[in-house]
Amino acid sequence: KAGVTQTPRYLIKTRGQQVTLSCSPISGHRSVSWYQQTPGQGLQFLFEYFSETQRNKGNFPGRFSGRQFSNSRSEMNVSTLELGDSALYLCASSSLAGGSDTQYFGPGTRLTVL
Amino acid sequence: TQLLEQSPQFLSIQEGENLTVYCNSSSVFSSLQWYRQEPGEGPVLLVTVVTGGEVKKLKRLTFQFGDARKDSSLHITAAQPGDTGLYLCAGAVVGYQKVTFGTGTKLQVIP
Repeated sequence: KAGVTQTPRYLIKTRGQQVTLSCSPISGHRSVSWYQQTPGQGLQFLFEYFSETQRNKGNFPGRFSGRQFSNSRSEMNVSTLELGDSALYLCASSSLAGGSDTQYFGPGTRLTVL
Repeated sequence: TQLLEQSPQFLSIQEGENLTVYCNSSSVFSSLQWYRQEPGEGPVLLVTVVTGGEVKKLKRLTFQFGDARKDSSLHITAAQPGDTGLYLCAGAVVGYQKVTFGTGTKLQVIP
């Protein structure tokens, strides 16, 4: 089985721009969660989607949004980028929602905001 | 509130030494995972433990889930440079609807 894939792997943007990141889960997995990882804050939960519905959301501003498609692929969007948004963005897939099953991570997208 | 505390935060040891990393909480977990992450990459799953008191072995790595399912440990025997990385524990707290991650332990094994 192919693992979780994320595109692009690297991205450089400037402040004020917006960005869209993509995640394709493991085949058969219907839950996709997104995390932001920075050296100072560690892994921070952004949101979880299951069967195209957002099930949980972390404490991030409304500039961070996401969606999930009928094939379980998910996208995450960040609008009006700030310097502090520079981070490794990780997505993880699992067969069940809400932590009921093990999560498997993709390689991440490294976003740099200049 | 950090639900999962890992210790130590940093560990630098010589090749061949043994080490133990701890993951503690006051909450009960329905399951707990350990991951290893290398710089710039996503965390890679090492193990999932589900039953209180469970012990799992993966070559030189031994994982233990506490009897009360509130804590876990990872023991590495005869560490090798390839063990270098960030070790993360994660779990689903009973009654919560999302996975919580530990603060991480950064391990460096010096040849």
